[in-house]
Amino acid sequence: NAGVTQTPKFQVLKTGQSMTLQCAQDMNHNSMYWYRQDPGMGLRLIYYSASEGTTDKGEVPNGYNVSRLNKREFSLRLESAAPSQTSVYFCASKELGLDSYGYTFGSGTRLTVV
Amino acid sequence: QKEVEQDPGPLSVPEGAIVSLNCTYSNSAFQYFMWYRQYSRKGPELLMYTYSSGNKEDGRFTAQVDKSSKYISLFIRDSQPSDSATYLCAMGSSNTGKLIFGQGTTLQVKP
Repeated sequence: NAGVTQTPKFQVLKTGQSMTLQCAQDMNHNSMYWYRQDPGMGLRLIYYSASEGTTDKGEVPNGYNVSRLNKREFSLRLESAAPSQTSVYFCASKELGLDSYGYTFGSGTRLTVV
Repeated sequence: QKEVEQDPGPLSVPEGAIVSLNCTYSNSAFQYFMWYRQYSRKGPELLMYTYSSGNKEDGRFTAQVDKSSKYISLFIRDSQPSDSATYLCAMGSSNTGKLIFGQGTTLQVKP
């Protein structure tokens, strides 16, 4: 099925460990996004890539890095995980422009840092 | 003050009730407004999209935008147990497609 695929679905890390969250979309979308979702906080933008070859910080970028590997793939890296990064992470994509309607989200990665 | 404010609920209604969900915002540059629905342990999915002010209807769902009051609403008529989910408002203002989300309102429709 077409859409946004995130891996892994679940992960437990120890404080200080690193990991990369993978995201791939097969809809030929130009723009991709990483959000985190915490109880009572809604979705907060970490990083985004408006088009292939560009990345920009969102609302909560500290402790994260991203790579737009190609048009399909956008990865999120935690270099030294902290308990405050325990969250559900969502990747999303959309076509560029105001006349494209909304994001397509992946099913999320549930990350616990102990 | 957050750019987008949404009452997190939870909201519990009987089947068949009319549900009203609301968000307020502070950034007058927002041009497009959306409602997403998120079932438990799933990603959000786009439910309604409105550009600028006005109303939009899709089946049992109606979205309203009042830019003068910086207020948006989602109405659900004849609510069903399958409508039980978290509803997130979202809004944006540029071609980058960055959206700012509300906190989400959890809705339970009881049979």
